Amino acid sequence: AQSVTQLDSQVPVFEEAPVELRCNYSSSVSVYLFWYVQYPNQGLQLLLKYLSGSTLVKGINGFEAEFNKSQTSFHLRKPSVHISDTAEYFCAVSDAGGTASKLTFGTGTRLQVTL
Amino acid sequence: EAGVAQSPRYKIIEKRQSVAFWCNPISGHATLYWYQQILGQGPKLLIQFQNNGVVDDSQLPKDRFSAERLKGVDSTLKIQPAKLEDSAVYLCASSFAGGGHYGYTFGSGTRLTVV
Repeated sequence: AQSVTQLDSQVPVFEEAPVELRCNYSSSVSVYLFWYVQYPNQGLQLLLKYLSGSTLVKGINGFEAEFNKSQTSFHLRKPSVHISDTAEYFCAVSDAGGTASKLTFGTGTRLQVTL
Repeated sequence: EAGVAQSPRYKIIEKRQSVAFWCNPISGHATLYWYQQILGQGPKLLIQFQNNGVVDDSQLPKDRFSAERLKGVDSTLKIQPAKLEDSAVYLCASSFAGGGHYGYTFGSGTRLTVV
């Protein structure tokens, strides 16, 4: 079984400041890793994903994440946040070897950007 | 490319009533997922279909929840009878067979309130 731990339930940050949202996972098999963003009353939008190769993954809206296999982490970063980045962020994992793999989500981190 | 369509967008029912949600996945996506997202939590998988067969329904409360995917395209999720704790957003997602590698697309969800 796989699990995802998002260490911070809420992260307050000022506009134009850098931010890091932390994610750790547990799995006995190789995994794919994902970050999704959810704006109020909307579905989940993919920010970025790690499948293989370079451990630094760049996504939409200036976000990036780094896969660290030894620490089983996949932290999300942005060097300068904007008010519009205020949303709920979910880290998720799926089995890399499965033919019909489900996503297992963390509990989410609420990013609150203020002026 | 059209996205994953879900309806209704919102539903309010009284406890012990029944309710049904509908999902139309992206054309050609063999795998369909129903997730339950309770307020303040990450999405939890209820059921996963591969074409019209069930792959995983281990977390579906089968005494009250049922789902079907006739002809391997559209799907319906039903709750009968509803309980207060069923209040949540129900998300439908789809993917090509192979799941993670090809990515997942989520619908906007159905927000269910049980009173």
